[in-house]
Amino acid sequence: NAGVTQTPKFQVLKTGQSMTLQCAQDMNHEYMSWYRQDPGMGLRLIHYSVGAGITDQGEVPNGYNVSRSTTEDFPLRLLSAAPSQTSVYFCASRPGTGTSTDTQYFGPGTRLTVL
Amino acid sequence: AQKVTQAQTEISVVEKEDVTLDCVYETRDTTYYLFWYKQPPSGELVFLIRRNSFDEQNEISGRYSWNFQKSTSSFNFTITASQVVDSAVYFCALSEASRGSNYQLIWGAGTKLIIKP
Repeated sequence: NAGVTQTPKFQVLKTGQSMTLQCAQDMNHEYMSWYRQDPGMGLRLIHYSVGAGITDQGEVPNGYNVSRSTTEDFPLRLLSAAPSQTSVYFCASRPGTGTSTDTQYFGPGTRLTVL
Repeated sequence: AQKVTQAQTEISVVEKEDVTLDCVYETRDTTYYLFWYKQPPSGELVFLIRRNSFDEQNEISGRYSWNFQKSTSSFNFTITASQVVDSAVYFCALSEASRGSNYQLIWGAGTKLIIKP
């Protein structure tokens, strides 16, 4: 198992550019989520998905879109990048959505800089 | 409202000292889960422990131990005989079981632990 994989590891964008952060997991997990981590703060939830075809907003969804066409993949799209989106982005997955086995497994992160 | 507070922004100790990282949480749920994650300088997030609200037994894993006290809403983490490799940022997190929460994680701001040789 590769676990949770994220690409790219680093990315620099100019204001207004769009891009997609990729996330994939090979553990057949139902639940996937995207977090951003800013200095001095814990992780904040951007979007999450409880299964293929189902997504919902987290705490800080503005400026980001997601889709979940397959169980394995959960890409995060920045439509028009802004400097405020400079952050480290983590994708996570966990086995179920309503069970006690809810330990989340994290990808290695994507460090995004928007100039 | 749910909240996790890690009041210690940074702790610095000399190797072999014991160190305790504090975590205080707020929730209205009776069923919830508490977690600790480690983020070493390399940046990845490493799961350390999960505790459910009905299990107040303390847990020990090698040099790591966790003290869960519902009476004070705390879930503190102690490293005994610290080592340089323990240097990292440690996060405490809360997951509620209430309807609609989808067991989302609420994170503390993290405590940066520096172990000096």
